[in-house]
Amino acid sequence: DSGVTQTPKHLITATGQRVTLRCSPRSGDLSVYWYQQSLDQGLQFLIQYYNGEERAKGNILERFSAQQFPDLHSELNLSSLELGDSALYFCASSAGTMGRETQYFGPGTRLLVL
Amino acid sequence: SQQGEEDPQALSIQEGENATMNCSYKTSINNLQWYRQNSGRGLVHLILIRSNEREKHSGRLRVTLDTSKKSSSLLITASRAADTASYFCAKSSYGNNRLAFGKGNQVVVIP
Repeated sequence: DSGVTQTPKHLITATGQRVTLRCSPRSGDLSVYWYQQSLDQGLQFLIQYYNGEERAKGNILERFSAQQFPDLHSELNLSSLELGDSALYFCASSAGTMGRETQYFGPGTRLLVL
Repeated sequence: SQQGEEDPQALSIQEGENATMNCSYKTSINNLQWYRQNSGRGLVHLILIRSNEREKHSGRLRVTLDTSKKSSSLLITASRAADTASYFCAKSSYGNNRLAFGKGNQVVVIP
């Protein structure tokens, strides 16, 4: 158990809908990262937050947004969903943000868009 | 872009044998991390090796890093059926902590 929790574990929804994925980092970690894993794109970095502020952006679609709250949990919002958004979405956390720390991953949320 | 790239191998080995997989990258790294993933589940962190380190051990795992060749290898010794998984390397660059993952190596250990 990495200490990173994600809810829900599974999500089935329809195209055009909006969903929210939730992540709680390990105790004491200030950085939260979101990654997407799909068969065609592999594991891709989406976005990072550090202590409530956006720190880095990767291949995140404009239909996707995220935030980190004062209690450090984070939410990833996916809207106007398309079939291609079906993937495993991981949250990870680390203590800092300078690239020296281990990133610990949560169990993931498996999203299926029908 | 995928900066951590494994040799695209699917290894099938007998229990007790060693398994080696490689990872190459293109630009300078701050550190490189190896992860294991069991059939579409979560990513389990195995080892982090920093750019100024050449070798690290953790139990039956050994990771080496050759920055001159921009490559790393993960060795699993005395493999067990429970080692059956996909193994990913992921690198981070200086100044940021985003991980760039390779495609992963599928390892099957036959009991």
